[in-house]
Amino acid sequence: EVQLVESGGGLVQPGRSLRLSCAASGFSFDDYAMHWVRQAPGKGLEWVAGISWNSGSIGYAGSVKGRFTISRDNAKGSLYLQIDSLRPEDTALYYCAKAGPGGTYDYFDYWGQGILVTVSS
Amino acid sequence: QSVLTQPPSASGTPGQRVTISCSGSNSNIESNYVYWYQQLPETAPKLLISKNNQRPSGVPDRFSGSKSGTSASLAISGLRSEDEADYYCAAWDDSLSGWVFGGGTKLTVL
Repeated sequence: EVQLVESGGGLVQPGRSLRLSCAASGFSFDDYAMHWVRQAPGKGLEWVAGISWNSGSIGYAGSVKGRFTISRDNAKGSLYLQIDSLRPEDTALYYCAKAGPGGTYDYFDYWGQGILVTVSS
Repeated sequence: QSVLTQPPSASGTPGQRVTISCSGSNSNIESNYVYWYQQLPETAPKLLISKNNQRPSGVPDRFSGSKSGTSASLAISGLRSEDEADYYCAAWDDSLSGWVFGGGTKLTVL
């Protein structure tokens, strides 16, 4: 059974940094691309970033490019999201999602339960 | 403002058939597959329809998807109370080089 468990969220002051983690199990982690998707309170879904199986291809949404860094450690079965210069509009539930089998940024076939990041002074 | 456009709400009575639309452009829906996700209250999204019209294992055949040109739609037949959820369409956008979502449609079963 695919399991994705996010951690590292919390209440953070504007301008600070945060690193989210996602522990994956139940599938061969190093065979699949991975994504981060976020959902602001009461709002819709927004793709944040994606990373290929070998970290050779990485993509970001325009709204986060330059402040967010996605990375992975295949040996640990873990996905990460480094968020710098946090802004109040980054407040959201951040989901880790596994990509489908079709390619670098394939669709999201399994999702974690999400981790809440709140940016406020 | 979402790149893909969905109606904010839809409703139906048990047993009815409802359809949710998703409108995009030639850089997303027309050029790429459309996916649909169901988000039950206070839960993570779940893949409902893959590659325009394919149901993953475990998804009831009451759910179906279709695509034509720059638009797609999700149909739910034999509506049940447990179908009450938010539904999102998604597609890769070639111009943005990223995934885009619709704003979501809240389905109410009356």
